[in-house]
Amino acid sequence: GAGVSQSPSNKVTEKGKDVELRCDPISGHTALYWYRQSLGQGLEFLIYFQGNSAPDKSGLPSDRFSAERTGGSVSTLTIQRTQQEDSAVYLCASSFLGAYEQYFGPGTRLTVT
Amino acid sequence: KNEVEQSPQNLTAQEGEFITINCSYSVGISALHWLQQHPGGGIVSLFMLSSGKKKHGRLIATINIQEKHSSLHITASHPRDSAVYICAVRRNNAGNMLTFGGGTRLMVKP
Repeated sequence: GAGVSQSPSNKVTEKGKDVELRCDPISGHTALYWYRQSLGQGLEFLIYFQGNSAPDKSGLPSDRFSAERTGGSVSTLTIQRTQQEDSAVYLCASSFLGAYEQYFGPGTRLTVT
Repeated sequence: KNEVEQSPQNLTAQEGEFITINCSYSVGISALHWLQQHPGGGIVSLFMLSSGKKKHGRLIATINIQEKHSSLHITASHPRDSAVYICAVRRNNAGNMLTFGGGTRLMVKP
């Protein structure tokens, strides 16, 4: 069956440009999470969507980062004015409701040159 | 100090060995997850547990809530078990996002 998909799989961008990363969660999953894994670092939480509730943005590292989820399904993570320290693998996960097992997408590897 | 600590950071084993990876946490949690990340980056959820013990094939996960400690065991290890194993907790009163340990890199040699 279809899992969580993310696009693009790889993105190289110049410092200062904006980027958009897309996540398609598993159909029927109401919860969607964005995480970041920097080189040599562990995973860190960015933002969490649950149904129609206001998203939990507590993990976003700066106001250059934002995310939206349209129609309770697809989500887009936007990074404005990218910096080299934004280079990382951005992972999306989804789950049925909020307290269940999370299913991870393959990630988007972002490189800011 | 990190809220979630794993040990060891790196582990090399011979095929067939019994492997234990440990996770300690310092916060109240509602659940603990064990994740597996293969080279190439894909992450698979192995277990989600809040008490006791779970078993799936050669993998066993245990948790002791009082001691704030969990272990992941792999019996009869195989080279295909080589991966990074990550412990993550869902903290009480912190929504549903996960807080991650630093991971344990396991290599199983044939």
